[in-house]
Amino acid sequence: EVQLVESGGGLVQPGGSLRLSCAASGFIFSNYWMHWLRQAPGKGLVWVSHINNDGSGTSYADSVKGRFTISRDNARNTLYLQMNNLRADDTAVYYCLRDYQGLEYWGQGTLVTVSS
Amino acid sequence: DVVMTQSPLSLPVTLGQPASISCRSSQSLVHSDGNTYLNWFQQRPGQSPRRLIYKVSKRDSGVPDRFSGSGSGTDFTLKISRVEAEDVGIYYCMQGTHWPPWTFGQGTKVEIK
Repeated sequence: EVQLVESGGGLVQPGGSLRLSCAASGFIFSNYWMHWLRQAPGKGLVWVSHINNDGSGTSYADSVKGRFTISRDNARNTLYLQMNNLRADDTAVYYCLRDYQGLEYWGQGTLVTVSS
Repeated sequence: DVVMTQSPLSLPVTLGQPASISCRSSQSLVHSDGNTYLNWFQQRPGQSPRRLIYKVSKRDSGVPDRFSGSGSGTDFTLKISRVEAEDVGIYYCMQGTHWPPWTFGQGTKVEIK
């Protein structure tokens, strides 16, 4: 069974940093592209970042470019999102997703709240 | 960026009746490989989204056959043949042809009358 379990969310002050993790199981992690998406409270779905299967290719939404960094450790079956210089409008549930014929499996999400 | 526009944004439906959601893209979603990367997602209240449909019309495993996707180019439709109580939630279309970014529609809230 495919499982994606996000962790690392919490309350952080504006300008602070957080590192999200996504532990993957039930599939060969290194075979798949992976993504991070987010959903602000009561709002829609927004794509944040993607990484290809070996980590050599990444892309970012304009709103996070230069502040967020996606990475992966295929030996540990784990996806990461390093988030720096956080702003209030980064407040959201962050989801980790597997890409197969498009965005496929979703994790349960981890809540990031940016507030003083 | 490709803009995805859904309609209606709110859809009250009667149990057992059909429902239809439209999704339009600002440019054709036909990829150079010949595929059209248009997905539909369902988000039930309090839950993570789950994918229902990929590549316009292919149902994901475990998705009831009352859900169907159709369309081509820039116009796409998700249909529910007979709405059940468990279908309440928000439905999103998403394109994965012209990336980055991958882009979503605004969401359509399906509720029971």
